[in-house]
Amino acid sequence: DTEVTQTPKHLVMGMTNKKSLKCEQHMGHRAMYWYKQKAKKPPELMFVYSYEKLSINESVPSRFSPECPNSSLLNLHLHALQPEDSALYLCASSQERRQETQYFGPGTRLLVL
Amino acid sequence: GENVEQHPSTLSVQEGDSAVIKCTYSDSASNYFPWYKQELGKRPQLIIDIRSNVGEKKDQRIAVTLNKTAKHFSLHITETQPEDSAVYFCAASGAAVGGNMLTFGGGTRLMVKP
Repeated sequence: DTEVTQTPKHLVMGMTNKKSLKCEQHMGHRAMYWYKQKAKKPPELMFVYSYEKLSINESVPSRFSPECPNSSLLNLHLHALQPEDSALYLCASSQERRQETQYFGPGTRLLVL
Repeated sequence: GENVEQHPSTLSVQEGDSAVIKCTYSDSASNYFPWYKQELGKRPQLIIDIRSNVGEKKDQRIAVTLNKTAKHFSLHITETQPEDSAVYFCAASGAAVGGNMLTFGGGTRLMVKP
């Protein structure tokens, strides 16, 4: 299995809602990532998990809360988001070693009303 | 931190022509340079990558060159086809605690006209 999967594909939420994005990979990768991508822009790194521990947080607001329950799963919990948080949220995974390819999931397209 | 500049932002070529996209990076410690292709509404997909110990890599119609001294790398697509139309992102990976910390260029929208 060489694929990263993400659910849901689309999500619409209000500013007072709480929702979660899910990501799963079965490639035995030990590094997992969350990116945010706005229209016509490159992906921007949000978080990196290495061996299920948060290793990088790119100064992301606390309304985004990542979680890595096990080596195959990565969640992103959303609470009190703003309309400007509307974007495509991409998950990726790679071997933990440097210079290893990152494989992206299809993304969750989020709209905050 | 790392900064990656990518040019041009848009590129239009005739089918069968070659396309070249160029990137520069700022951190001399960066040692891994992937290129991703992203079609509209789809995920970024790796098309080729190069590591700092080589200067050139080729895969069929796609090639990447790396000049570490000048801190720039380029993507070359020969015999372009309409299905090559997409946004292409270069990236550079620097030192990080676990995994690769990719910094992406701004993207190039390639349009191949039949």
